Amino acid sequence: DQQVKQNSPSLSVQEGRISILNCDYTNSMFDYFLWYKKYPAEGPTFLISISSIKDKNEDGRFTVFLNKSAKHLSLHIVPSQPGDSAVYFCAASAGTYKYIFGTGTRLKVLA
Amino acid sequence: NAGVMQNPRHLVRRRGQEARLRCSPVKGHSHVYWYRQLPEEGLKFMVYLQKENIIDESGMPKERFSAEFPKEGPSILRIQQVVRGDSAAYFCASSPEPDRGSTDTQYFGPGTRLTVL
Repeated sequence: DQQVKQNSPSLSVQEGRISILNCDYTNSMFDYFLWYKKYPAEGPTFLISISSIKDKNEDGRFTVFLNKSAKHLSLHIVPSQPGDSAVYFCAASAGTYKYIFGTGTRLKVLA
Repeated sequence: NAGVMQNPRHLVRRRGQEARLRCSPVKGHSHVYWYRQLPEEGLKFMVYLQKENIIDESGMPKERFSAEFPKEGPSILRIQQVVRGDSAAYFCASSPEPDRGSTDTQYFGPGTRLTVL
């Protein structure tokens, strides 16, 4: 039972363009969402989060959008840089410490 | 990765041996979480500990796996009599004291890659 789904295993984007990573969830009790970035042989690095009381949160080049009615969130990276190439994980929690992770999307930013 | 330390980074064990994975949280963090990542999958919650207490071990297999977070020293995830299916990356995360009912961001260590031959 995959409660958090990242349906695109990989994505390639040209440097300078926008990267859009998507995440869908099924549990309507989720109220806190996070994005982590992971390089090979390293742990996930926290990127940005959003509470369910908001529909947008922005931090520099990274913006997360939350559409509660569609149970969908997305991460926008603009402009994309080669150093953004990594695996991006979406995670969600229902008011607790127990994060449910998606399976990740591998982003490749082409120079 | 915000100061969470894990060792060893790589661990090779033969079937039937024991594996001990260590995690030192960010200084000042009193909450530790262990996750497991199997190949091509997302991270799966295993256990949540505070100092000297296991708060939630619902994600941990009931046999062969145990975890502790003693008053002094790192948190330990212990796997007894390892099998090939235990091969995975094990990540530890820590967070500061969360407010009751709230969620606090977890910061992850670099992980321990366990290979069982």
